Amino acid sequence: GQQVMQIPQYQHVQEGEDFTTYCNSSTTLSNIQWYKQRPGGHPVFLIQLVKSGEVKKQKRLTFQFGEAKKNSSLHITATQTTDVGTYFCAGPKTGTASKLTFGTGTRLQVTL
Amino acid sequence: EAGVVQSPRYKIIEKKQPVAFWCNPISGHNTLYWYRQNLGQGPELLIRYENEEAVDDSQLPKDRFSAERLKGVDSTLKIQPAELGDSAVYLCASSVAGVEQYFGPGTRLTVT
Repeated sequence: GQQVMQIPQYQHVQEGEDFTTYCNSSTTLSNIQWYKQRPGGHPVFLIQLVKSGEVKKQKRLTFQFGEAKKNSSLHITATQTTDVGTYFCAGPKTGTASKLTFGTGTRLQVTL
Repeated sequence: EAGVVQSPRYKIIEKKQPVAFWCNPISGHNTLYWYRQNLGQGPELLIRYENEEAVDDSQLPKDRFSAERLKGVDSTLKIQPAELGDSAVYLCASSVAGVEQYFGPGTRLTVT
């Protein structure tokens, strides 16, 4: 079946440092979505990328979809303590629009 | 706009007992999902509804799990009998046309 892996599994940074999580799928994705889950909370949608090579920015967050539509990355510039949480990528296989397979997640810890 | 509502928020039961979770999606959202999230992992899809029809239940352990979505609105997920390995957070999500998914707060199930 489809597998979506993320690295690193966990990262601890000092506030102000940058952070990147990488997402790799075993199959081609029709799109990639990113979600953030705060400790004790539920996943919250951040963004969706659809086109090969697409790059989108949300303030300090930069999302990229790979050319082959099998990988993606999320980069946070100058992290803040409010960025703490687990970041999941999720994507449907091409042809299965609504069935998301979630990645393994990257837990981010930010300290002052 | 009200979000996805789930109840109960927490449930502790003994193994072999039955348990039921309830979800009320965002008004107008035709697609409803039930996920299971184990500690430190991403959500795993159990079943997806398009209106009242279950269109993907391949991951639902049908020997003990059942779900229904009467009238295409509220949904109930049941486990009977529960096993120790069923301890997890059960998340309900809804969406319009299968794009951005809105998650509810989840039900944390502990089976003792």
